[in-house]
Amino acid sequence: SQTIHQWPATLVQPVGSPLSLECTVEGTSNPNLYWYRQAAGRGLQLLFYSVGIGQISSEVPQNLSASRPQDRQFILSSKKLLLSDSGFYLCAWSKLTGTSYEQYFGPGTRLTVT
Amino acid sequence: GDSVTQMEGPVTLSEEAFLTINCTYTATGYPSLFWYVQYPGEGLQLLLKATKADDKGSNKGFEATYRKETTSFHLEKGSVQVSDSAVYFCALISGGYQKVTFGTGTKLQVIP
Repeated sequence: SQTIHQWPATLVQPVGSPLSLECTVEGTSNPNLYWYRQAAGRGLQLLFYSVGIGQISSEVPQNLSASRPQDRQFILSSKKLLLSDSGFYLCAWSKLTGTSYEQYFGPGTRLTVT
Repeated sequence: GDSVTQMEGPVTLSEEAFLTINCTYTATGYPSLFWYVQYPGEGLQLLLKATKADDKGSNKGFEATYRKETTSFHLEKGSVQVSDSAVYFCALISGGYQKVTFGTGTKLQVIP
């Protein structure tokens, strides 16, 4: 079976510091991968998605970036965090089930920028 | 572009009450429709799905029917429990990039 991991689970960082969040998927190959952000009390915002190694599409211009150095690894980064970067970051992967795709989410990383 | 509209929350119900959370969508083509549930402090879990008109998705006592004529996918449960307290997201996938469009979520609180 497939599993998705994220770490760290929680993170408190000062404004202006760098960021690196990691996501890995096990039990599948060549998945589509996604990064979402969920601000407090709000819905999900798609940040980046990737259809393969080194292929990244950005949905929202911002000071975050994403990379996919390996097939099942997806990294979210920032060189200098802003207060507005606080939120709950979710990684997801998708697979074809029957005739439709489904997305499965990791446990998330709670980021607080102080 | 695609969009999903959910009823505003929070929704507060007594245990064993009937639940309906409304969801309508706008999409090109024939999207697949989903309900996800998020318990406090956790990621999203896929609750149920429907892939074509008149399909009914069901899981853990929850049901939703894909209504193409009204572009709706309302979530229902006949008797809610305290453990159902969570945020529920309606979502769709359409097109070739497998990107999910989410509603804003509806918080459900069930009181004993």
